[in-house]
Amino acid sequence: QVQLQESGPGLVKPSETLSLTCSVSADSFSTYTWSWIRQPPGKGLEWIGFIRYSGLANYNPSLQSRVSLSIDTSKKQISLKLSSVTAADMAVYFCASTPYKDIVTGYYYFDNWSQGTLVTVSS
Amino acid sequence: QSVLPQPPSASGTPGQRVTISCSGTTSNIGTNYVYWYQQLPGTAPRLLIYRNNQRPSGVSDRFSASKSGTSASLAISGLRSEDEADYYCAAWDGSLSGHVIFGGGTKLTVL
Repeated sequence: QVQLQESGPGLVKPSETLSLTCSVSADSFSTYTWSWIRQPPGKGLEWIGFIRYSGLANYNPSLQSRVSLSIDTSKKQISLKLSSVTAADMAVYFCASTPYKDIVTGYYYFDNWSQGTLVTVSS
Repeated sequence: QSVLPQPPSASGTPGQRVTISCSGTTSNIGTNYVYWYQQLPGTAPRLLIYRNNQRPSGVSDRFSASKSGTSASLAISGLRSEDEADYYCAAWDGSLSGHVIFGGGTKLTVL
């Protein structure tokens, strides 16, 4: 069973960097790929990117210039950094998992999700 | 295409069958599997359908899905009040450097 929990500031100033961490409880941490997904209030889902156990990451082209994912395998944590935030980045941020064996086969889905954390962008 | 078009809303009465469509292109639905997620109010999404038409364990067989060409659809039969939720389709899009693309979401109301 996989459990995910985000942590980080709930308020970020415009132009600053949003930083969140996802802590994972899973015996099989190395067999998953980890994603960040966000949802602006009242709107739909947007995939931000995913990172493999190896540290290799893929990003949404629309955010690629501002986003960075990292992984700490010893702590079982995945981190998100989004720079130069604006009001458009205000959203509930989720972390989610995908079995690595399915990613390499071309199956891109999310089978476990965190509860989500709201990040507000305001001065 | 940044979002897969879905009807913004759908509705039905208890016991009815409703369908939700999801439209894509050859770079996403046309060449990759489709997934469906259910998001109950105030909760995180949960995987409802994987690989076009497969149900994870624990998902009711009242939920079914199909894909044809560059379109997909989700069907819910024997509608229940607890099915009232937002439904999202998703697929890998091979354009640019590749990315996951979600549908815009359909809010299902059980009348």
